[in-house]
This record gives sequence, structure tokens and C-alpha cells, in this order.
Amino acid sequence: GAGVSQSPSNKVTEKGKDVELRCDPISGHTALYWYRQSLGQGLEFLIYFQGNSAPDKSGLPSDRFSAERTGGSVSTLTIQRTQQEDSAVYLCASSLRGPSGGEQFFGPGTRLTVL
Amino acid sequence: SQQGEEDPQALSIQEGENATMNCSYKTSINNLQWYRQNSGRGLVHLILIRSNEREKHSGRLRVTLDTSKKSSSLLITASRAADTASYFCATDSIYNQGGKLIFGQGTELSVKP
Repeated sequence: GAGVSQSPSNKVTEKGKDVELRCDPISGHTALYWYRQSLGQGLEFLIYFQGNSAPDKSGLPSDRFSAERTGGSVSTLTIQRTQQEDSAVYLCASSLRGPSGGEQFFGPGTRLTVL
Repeated sequence: SQQGEEDPQALSIQEGENATMNCSYKTSINNLQWYRQNSGRGLVHLILIRSNEREKHSGRLRVTLDTSKKSSSLLITASRAADTASYFCATDSIYNQGGKLIFGQGTELSVKP
């Protein structure tokens, strides 16, 4: 009965490098969300997956950001050519009930630092 | 853009006192949720109130929702030092598909023993 897990917990990278962040949702949860939280700020929605439907990418800040969800389970958020403003905590959440909303279960986050 | 605005931004109280945090939002919602965050990491869901509900209780938590004013409040009664955390409201707007949440900026609560 594990919760949402994310890896790595911390990532330090140099400007211009690509990074991949991983999220393992709760088993059986069909909806998966990525959010970003900058220092002292609220959460900013990035992308949403629901089952086999096309993802809602409306929150991605630029085309350097992409995400995929393989087999309806694990998701990877990729940031290409990282910039210093990408530094933030990236949080993943999953939910049993996607389209009609409901409680979201959050992972511990990945703290990304771009030097 | 952020849907919710919370006030106060920071609140410091003594143990045993009640803490009230407010949230305002802009568009009509399916539901409004409150989350707690410790040390800037994972969020923990506290309570969900649907648009047709006006008040909900869970333990020491009481949430109210006024859809005419587009506002909600979270009351924590008999606060404890362990309640020290950041509290966020999040709205599921009727204009957003898929239940994605729009978060407020949060209230940082400090409960002093």
C-alpha cells in the first residue's frame, strides 16, 4: 500500500543539461498530475494524464518541458536545456477519480536546482 | 494563473487557540480542497467540500464554503504545535477538465507551544 513515490528526491544540474524526473503513482489510480512549486509559492499545474486519453498539457511553461506516462502507470517529466528559473520542487499527484475530481495524493517531490 | 488567494499569508498563534485561514477564488467550482504542507515537500489532503455543501467537519477542522462570495475558510480548533505547516486551498474549476487543481499561495501557520 505504498503512496506516490518520486525520484530522485533531489537533483542538482548545470544550466543547459536535460533532466528526467520520475513519478510512480498509487496502483489503480487512473489520473496523474504534475505540479511545480517555486520557493515560497503555491503549486502551479503543469500536466495531467487520465487513462488513455490525450494529456492536458496546458500548464507546461515552454516546449522544453514534456512528460509521458507509460502503460498508464509510471510517468516521467523531462526538462530539456534547463534554465535557472526551472529550479523548483516538482510534485506529482495521483487520483482515483480523474474527470470528476477528488482527493489527490501527492508524492514527496523532487527538488531541482539548476546552477 | 492562480485561482485562489489566501489570507493571511502568515499566522502565528499560541497552542490552544483557534486558527482561521481564508481563501477566495475567481471562477465557479466543482469542489474546493484544503491541503497541508510540511517543510516545502509533499502535500497532505485535509478536506474536500463540494460546491453544493456549505460546511464540513473533520476532527478539529471545520471548513465553510460560500459560493456566492467565492470564498472558503478553514478553522483549526484547539491548535497544537504539530499543526505548524503551510495550508493551501485548491479549487477544481468547472472550466477545467480532469480535476486539475488550482492552488492558492498558502497560509503559513506557526503554533507556539
